[in-house]
Amino acid sequence: DGGITQSPKYLFRKEGQNVTLSCEQNLNHDAMYWYRQDPGQGLRLIYYSQIVNDFQKGDIAEGYSVSREKKESFPLTVTSAQKNPTAFYLCASSTLRGQGGGPQHFGDGTRLSIL
Amino acid sequence: AQSVTQLGSHVSVSEGALVLLRCNYSSSVPPYLFWYVQYPNQGLQLLLKYTSAATLVKGINGFEAEFKKSETSFHLTKPSAHMSDAAEYFCAVSVAGTALIFGKGTTLSVSS
Repeated sequence: DGGITQSPKYLFRKEGQNVTLSCEQNLNHDAMYWYRQDPGQGLRLIYYSQIVNDFQKGDIAEGYSVSREKKESFPLTVTSAQKNPTAFYLCASSTLRGQGGGPQHFGDGTRLSIL
Repeated sequence: AQSVTQLGSHVSVSEGALVLLRCNYSSSVPPYLFWYVQYPNQGLQLLLKYTSAATLVKGINGFEAEFKKSETSFHLTKPSAHMSDAAEYFCAVSVAGTALIFGKGTTLSVSS
């Protein structure tokens, strides 16, 4: 079955350390997204990409970086500049054509915690 | 700019009772509207979406939502709640056909 795979499910970061969250999709979707979820705050957009080798900042991009070298993959790096990285991170993908664009498929998330 | 407001961070109902989760949006152009459900430690699953084809939208698991332009609302309803409906629900809006803007979520509790 097609879908989005996020790994790992749980991740721990030490102070001053960069960590990378993986997101892979086999849905042949053009667009991919990263969201951060904190209790009571809904989902906030970190970065998104509509095409390979191109991406745009979302509302809370500071302290994060991404790459889009392949259509299927959109890894997110949480850098040491992100001072409050503890959160649940969700990756999503969508087609761009047709009605009702926007993320429609989500991975199961990665929970990042600080040691 | 677009925004979404979900009224009530927590809604409690009895099994078999009507479920009503409220969502109001703000948009300067015709929006696309979505409802998602999230179970603990999982991603979001699309319940239904409004794309201007019909104002009453039917989704999965017996849920439906009605788009009311005059009230800028897109409330989610289900006639009879089931224990398995207990989850967090998110309303979202999109106007550019790309990234969504989410509400802060409503946690639905169902008691027997």
